[in-house]
Amino acid sequence: GAVVSQHPSWVICKSGTSVKIECRSLDFQATTMFWYRQFPKQSLMLMATSNEGSKATYEQGVEKDKFLINHASLTLSTLTVTSAHPEDSSFYICSARGRGDPYGYTFGSGTRLTVV
Amino acid sequence: AQSVTQPDIHITVSEGASLELRCNYSYGATPYLFWYVQSPGQGLQLLLKYFSGDTLVQGIKGFEAEFKRSQSSFNLRKPSVHWSDAAEYFCAVTDSWGKLQFGAGTQVVVTP
Repeated sequence: GAVVSQHPSWVICKSGTSVKIECRSLDFQATTMFWYRQFPKQSLMLMATSNEGSKATYEQGVEKDKFLINHASLTLSTLTVTSAHPEDSSFYICSARGRGDPYGYTFGSGTRLTVV
Repeated sequence: AQSVTQPDIHITVSEGASLELRCNYSYGATPYLFWYVQSPGQGLQLLLKYFSGDTLVQGIKGFEAEFKRSQSSFNLRKPSVHWSDAAEYFCAVTDSWGKLQFGAGTQVVVTP
């Protein structure tokens, strides 16, 4: 079945630094990538949607200059948290959708970001 | 706008007992509905989905769900739970743009 590899699984960084999270679709072409944020014991909040080769579309209230999303190829999308602060600490999850299956969403295993 | 409600935040069930998780949706058109399971610190795994056709949907791990349009519900069931079923369960609906809208989730605890 479809597999999405998300790295790193966890990362600790200092305030003010930037962190990059990668999601790779291993066995299909991810035409659309979704990035979510999840707070402890809460649901997933969609941050942005990106289509390969296009600029990401951010949900209301999400700072696009802080959460940079790149989807330059059909197998790789990245989320960069810039100038991270402790309030950016969260669990980030990507989800990929391939061509030909508009309702087939494959999720990565998530990244636990802790900003100290 | 579409929305998903999972009325139960937390459910405790004995191993071997039956489980039912409730999900209600609000959506103007025919909804595309999903149930996902999330283990701690992990991503989401699809249990089953409903687009059309037979309103009783079979999924993985022995789960099934029934779509009831008259009640705007898509409840998830399992006849006999195993300790490994302890996890967070999310109901979701897609909007017209293909984005998933998740419910708040239901935490399932399985006791011996």
